[in-house]
Amino acid sequence: QLQLQESGPGLVKPSETLSLTCTVSGASIGSSNYYWGWIRQSPGKGLEWIGSIFYSVNTNYNPSLKSRVTISVDTSKNQLSMELISVTAADTAVYFCTRESALCSSTTCQGDAFDIWGQGTKVTVSS
Amino acid sequence: EIVLTQSPGTLSLSPGERATLSCRASQSVSNNYLAWYHQRPGQAPRLLIYDASFRATGIPDRFSGSVSGTDFTLTIRRLESEDFGVYYCQQYGRSPLTFGGGTKVEIK
Repeated sequence: QLQLQESGPGLVKPSETLSLTCTVSGASIGSSNYYWGWIRQSPGKGLEWIGSIFYSVNTNYNPSLKSRVTISVDTSKNQLSMELISVTAADTAVYFCTRESALCSSTTCQGDAFDIWGQGTKVTVSS
Repeated sequence: EIVLTQSPGTLSLSPGERATLSCRASQSVSNNYLAWYHQRPGQAPRLLIYDASFRATGIPDRFSGSVSGTDFTLTIRRLESEDFGVYYCQQYGRSPLTFGGGTKVEIK
């Protein structure tokens, strides 16, 4: 059974870098059939898509976060990672890792709905 | 970006009643790539409907989705106690992917 498990620090200081990891069990993160990504949820902004990665190298980010976020995969550990630099209180949220099936035509691919979610990890930005 | 506006904000209903939730997109959603999710407190959202009208694996048939232009609707035929919580719509037709603000379905 496919499971996603997020891990990371519960508390990060302003201006520092937030690093989160998602361990995938029950599927290969290097598969060409899926996108893997991150979504966050805060009381002020609701659910916000952060970005996704496909086939281990093709990334797509929310323009609102693109200058500060990097998503990557480690296929040897079957893990998804996210780094968010220069955090502020506005980055306080519950962070979820997610899976989307890949919808591919002859020329392009995109993600489907988010069918698998991790349980989420709460991150607070505070000094 | 595509803005999704959900209404009503809160729906107060009794078990056994019918729930109708709305999600209006600010522009056309290509291929009707719109999904509905249900979230209970302290849990991650769960996919109910994808491509506007297709039930995800394991979702009971009391849940149905429909679309008319840029207006999407989620209908729950007979509410059960496990159905209460917050419902979100989300479009994946165009990047950036966006979510609606949610409709809370509470017990009357």
